[in-house]
Amino acid sequence: DGGITQSPKYLFRKEGQNVTLSCEQNLNHDAMYWYRQDPGQGLRLIYYSQIVNDFQKGDIAEGYSVSREKKESFPLTVTSAQKNPTAFYLCASSVGLLYGYTFGSGTRLTVV
Amino acid sequence: DQQVKQNSPSLSVQEGRISILNCDYTNSMFDYFLWYKKYPAEGPTFLISISSIKDKNEDGRFTVFLNKSAKHLSLHIVPSQPGDSAVYFCAASDGSARQLTFGSGTQLTVLP
Repeated sequence: DGGITQSPKYLFRKEGQNVTLSCEQNLNHDAMYWYRQDPGQGLRLIYYSQIVNDFQKGDIAEGYSVSREKKESFPLTVTSAQKNPTAFYLCASSVGLLYGYTFGSGTRLTVV
Repeated sequence: DQQVKQNSPSLSVQEGRISILNCDYTNSMFDYFLWYKKYPAEGPTFLISISSIKDKNEDGRFTVFLNKSAKHLSLHIVPSQPGDSAVYFCAASDGSARQLTFGSGTQLTVLP
């Protein structure tokens, strides 16, 4: 079955540590996206990538970094520079807008 | 500056009645609109979309209406079922590479 896999589902991080969230898709989609969800704020775009080896900052990129070395993979690193990292992180991919995005099931990151 | 607004954070309806979820946008360049449904701790799933050349799109119990002059769209669910209880996000695209801009979501509760 084609889809997007995000791992882990829950992640705990100590303050001052970097952590990487995994996102893998087998849909052969060119475009991939990272969103952050906070209560009452909807989905905010962190980074997006239209093709391999290219990515662009979204609205809230500060404190985050990404890479796109393979079409299937778009990992997100939450660095120690991110002031409020506790949130629900969603990865998505798309081949075009007709059917919208396909989302992963998300990773809940908690800083302890 | 929220370009896509869902002003009602929550909505409750009786089972079997109509649910109407509203969404307003400010960017006149938006030309494609989508609705997503999200359960807790899961990624959003695509529900229905509409292009700006149409004013209505129907899919089973779900109908989306677009009023371009008012920059307003709405999602009608008839009849509402308890399984429809979820957060509904509206999203809009201006065709740019960053693709979708999401609203903050409306929590729909369908009471049995």
